[in-house]
Order: sequence, then structure tokens, then C-alpha cells
Amino acid sequence: GAGVSQSPSNKVTEKGKDVELRCDPISGHTALYWYRQRLGQGLEFLIYFQGNSAPDKSGLPSDRFSAERTGESVSTLTIQRTQQEDSAVYLCASRDIADYGYTFGSGTRLTVV
Amino acid sequence: KQEVTQIPAALSVPEGENLVLNCSFTDSAIYNLQWFRQDPGKGLTSLLLIQSSQREQTSGRLNASLDKSSGRSTLYIAASQPGDSATYLCAVRLRNYGQNFVFGPGTRLSVLP
Repeated sequence: GAGVSQSPSNKVTEKGKDVELRCDPISGHTALYWYRQRLGQGLEFLIYFQGNSAPDKSGLPSDRFSAERTGESVSTLTIQRTQQEDSAVYLCASRDIADYGYTFGSGTRLTVV
Repeated sequence: KQEVTQIPAALSVPEGENLVLNCSFTDSAIYNLQWFRQDPGKGLTSLLLIQSSQREQTSGRLNASLDKSSGRSTLYIAASQPGDSATYLCAVRLRNYGQNFVFGPGTRLSVLP
């Protein structure tokens, strides 16, 4: 596609439920990144994919968080047993290996009530 | 560990003023530096990307400079407009492959009509 697409744009979930966030990167972009931004705070790195593998998942805050990528395309970030502190905007970015800059999606705003 | 800071945290100026946003980073061994804009409730928009070998980049009313040795970058906005109101983030990238951008906390800019 023309840009990085994320869905849903907004998600409200009850504490304890599982959620899945989706990212469709720009076609052909081999690198994909997930970031989190809590209200009033800076961006936190979560995980990086190169192709379908994740050489850097050091930013995942707990084992409730996991992510996968298939077909060197779509990525899914899964949060199990959501907690209120998981409320944030989750941003996805992709990059062509031959390019230098990132292109970000518009994010998924997750609210855990 | 790379740390990125931005000064000021917030800035309010009248329309038409020229202004400078500052970004500092602790490790000068960067691959590149990118300035982003974030509008409330939205994702990030890339503004300018400066490679480590470059001194500055220009796009329209925006000019970004990079001084690797002193660990600083500035974003200059000429003839500011109310539409420039947003949070401006700088981010440094440490290596060519893998890893992630380290983001600064951002400068929240308000341009008053």
C-alpha cells in the first residue's frame, strides 16, 4: 500500500481481556518496528522485525506481550490479560532495507478499562 | 546507552516568528537522525532525515542541522504558522541494520494566530 496501515484505530477493552493489534507495512519494506506511546510520554521501542524474524524484542515490557510477522508483511502485536497500564497508542513503522528513514502508521489507541 | 533530550519541552510563539528546536544526544556514533512531527491523536510524520555524513537538510520552511561531534541537532522553522502547532520529535539511529531509533521526549509547539 501507499503507507503503513494500522487497525483498529481505536480499541477499548476490559481489563484481563486479550487484544490483537495489526500493522500492514509498506509493500516490500523488510524492516518493521513496534513502538508504544503512553499519554504525555515519549516513544518506547517494543520490537523490531527483519523479515519474519525478530532480532530485537528487548522492549517488550512483559511476557504478556508478543508479536509475530508473516510473509514479510503483516505483523500482529498481541497483549494478553490486558492491564490498565497497557493503555497507550501503539505505533508501527516500516523501512525499506535500502532506505534510511522510517514511515509510521497512524497508530492504534488502546484503552483498558 | 544513547540518551536523547530535547529543549524546550514546550514552546509558544506568535505567528510569523522564526524558531529553533534543539535536540541533544549522548553518543555521537549515530547512523542518522530524523525529525518527526506528531499531531494530537495521530501518528508520526517524517520531516527531515540527516545522514551522519551530512550537516543539514532543508525542506520548505524547515531546516535541520547536525553536529555529530557535539551531539546536537537543531530544527529551524521559518515564518511559523498556526498549522505548525504539533509535537516535534527527534530520533537517532545507532546502526545501519537492526536496532531502532532512540527518540527524544519531544517539544510541544504552539503557534498562536
